[in-house]
Amino acid sequence: AQTVTQSQPEMSVQEAETVTLSCTYDTSENNYYLFWYKQPPSRQMILVIRQEAYKQQNATENRFSVNFQKAAKSFSLKISDSQLGDTAMYFCAFMKGNSNFGNEKLTFGTGTRLTIIP
Amino acid sequence: GAVVSQHPSRVICKSGTSVKIECRSLDFQATTMFWYRQFPKKSLMLMATSNEGSKATYEQGVEKDKFLINHASLTLSTLTVTSAHPEDSSFYICSARQPRRRGRDKNIQYFGAGTRLSVL
Repeated sequence: AQTVTQSQPEMSVQEAETVTLSCTYDTSENNYYLFWYKQPPSRQMILVIRQEAYKQQNATENRFSVNFQKAAKSFSLKISDSQLGDTAMYFCAFMKGNSNFGNEKLTFGTGTRLTIIP
Repeated sequence: GAVVSQHPSRVICKSGTSVKIECRSLDFQATTMFWYRQFPKKSLMLMATSNEGSKATYEQGVEKDKFLINHASLTLSTLTVTSAHPEDSSFYICSARQPRRRGRDKNIQYFGAGTRLSVL
């Protein structure tokens, strides 16, 4: 079974600063995907960024980037130039890869509550 | 990205009644949908995986007869909480996966906005 660990229950940072959220996971799989999802106060889950394990290059999406360390099973999220709208709960998630596209499940971490301070 | 609609957003019911929650994929066909439960300030717990035209696969510890799932079409899955009790009060979220094999949407789950169930 896979496990996802987010060791920072809460974080806060000043607006415009950079913040890094940590995530580690445990798996015996070699083919898998990692995700960061954001859940703002509206409770709507929004995909922030995705990383495919076979890709060495770290994924980036505008102000969001990841530091994917496969050997260390680490997948941190960096938010640059943080904005008030980034205030949310952030969940790291793992999904097994499956070439037959079966019912791959997401395994979520416990989340990090991020507050951007004006 | 793809849009998933979940209805209702909030429901209050009396103990012993049944409640149906709908999850629709609006602009794509979803062969697979997922149902989660989220307790306050907690992570999402997968309840079941719903496949179009077949029986749902429930996670260990989830009562099949309590939480009925029907995935009758490629765009609609429903979760019915039968004989609801106060301990069933929670936030229920559905997601749908686009069956694409390549591209940016590969293996992405898109989430509904959730349903807050309160059982009195």
